[in-house]
Amino acid sequence: GENVEQHPSTLSVQEGDSAVIKCTYSDSASNYFPWYKQELGKRPQLIIDIRSNVGEKKDQRIAVTLNKTAKHFSLHITETQPEDSAVYFCAATFGNEKLTFGTGTRLTIIP
Amino acid sequence: GAVVSQHPSRVICKSGTSVKIECRSLDFQATTMFWYRQFPKQSLMLMATSNEGSKATYEQGVEKDKFLINHASLTLSTLTVTSAHPEDSSFYICSARRAGLYQETQYFGPGTRLLVL
Repeated sequence: GENVEQHPSTLSVQEGDSAVIKCTYSDSASNYFPWYKQELGKRPQLIIDIRSNVGEKKDQRIAVTLNKTAKHFSLHITETQPEDSAVYFCAATFGNEKLTFGTGTRLTIIP
Repeated sequence: GAVVSQHPSRVICKSGTSVKIECRSLDFQATTMFWYRQFPKQSLMLMATSNEGSKATYEQGVEKDKFLINHASLTLSTLTVTSAHPEDSSFYICSARRAGLYQETQYFGPGTRLLVL
């Protein structure tokens, strides 16, 4: 089955700086890679996703890059703000299969 | 949009009782619904996959007789925790996947926090 590793587990960034979270996956057939943001006690919210037919996708301050050969993908947040503080989860799946989640990264933005 | 609701948001029960949690897709038909459990400071762990009109598929280690799932319609799935015990206390989250383009995307409910005394 799919295995997704996520690093780092915790990340502290000065407000205004960039944050990068990295994930690797094991199943080369995986073709869909979403990123979720979860605030304490709340539901995971989809913030960006990428499919294997593209290498990069950007939405304002958030971008995701995918390297299919190396089987890794990364989340980039630029110009970080205090409201970016949360736990971020990457995930991977193939077709209609179930999502496999990473272990999460607790991001803290230091004002 | 793609809104998923869950009810109740929080429940406290005595050990040995059963608790039912509802998951509804409000503005779309969900071909598949998923049930997750999340312990504090941990990732989401998939418990089961639920398809309308068919039996749920449970993940390894999840007791199907303890966690009963019913998916009666394309907009409603229920999870019943039977004979709940303190170790069942957790955050239970459902998600729903819609039919059509980009059907891999899962939309999550707000979660149900269960505390078993």
